[in-house]
Amino acid sequence: EAAVTQSPRNKVAVTGGKVTLSCNQTNNHNNMYWYRQDTGHGLRLIHYSYGAGSTEKGDIPDGYKASRPSQENFSLILELATPSQTSVYFCASGAQNTLYFGAGTRLSVL
Amino acid sequence: GDSVTQTEGLVTVTEGLPVKLNCTYQTTYLTIAFFWYVQYLNEAPQVLLKSSTDNKRTEHQGFHATLHKSSSSFHLQKSSAQLSDSALYYCALSKGANTGKLTFGHGTILRVHP
Repeated sequence: EAAVTQSPRNKVAVTGGKVTLSCNQTNNHNNMYWYRQDTGHGLRLIHYSYGAGSTEKGDIPDGYKASRPSQENFSLILELATPSQTSVYFCASGAQNTLYFGAGTRLSVL
Repeated sequence: GDSVTQTEGLVTVTEGLPVKLNCTYQTTYLTIAFFWYVQYLNEAPQVLLKSSTDNKRTEHQGFHATLHKSSSSFHLQKSSAQLSDSALYYCALSKGANTGKLTFGHGTILRVHP
């Protein structure tokens, strides 16, 4: 079954530490996305990719980097995590403007 | 820039009664598509409806929405709400054709009670 899988599902990090969120998709979609979900803000686009080796900045890229080493994998990297990055992060793959989301990663930065 | 506005943070309705969730937008893109996504408790968002043609009604799972470019709206409606419809609903605008870059509204929680 085609799916978008995120790991870890839950993560507690310390301020200033490095955090890597991973995403794997078996939909064979070229496009992949990272969103964060916060109450009062909805879903906001952080980074996206149109294929292996490409990454683009979304609407709120500051403090985040992304990596797309292959068609299937798309990572979100927080080099120096801050408490303001505490959130739920969703990865998605997409085709024809329809996004298929993973189950999310709940990140707490203390 | 682009924006999507969902005016209600919470909508409460009695089972069996009609429900309407509002969505309006602002965009500079000429080619746009609109979506409603639904997120059930502890699950991922999933697409509910998609529309790209002005004044055309789109239906799925008993819900329907019509894109009205004249009023910049894409409201979600259902004639008879069910308990299982309780969820978080997002209206979203795609930035251009097939980019997949969506601008989401802040979301509306729908609570259907007996």
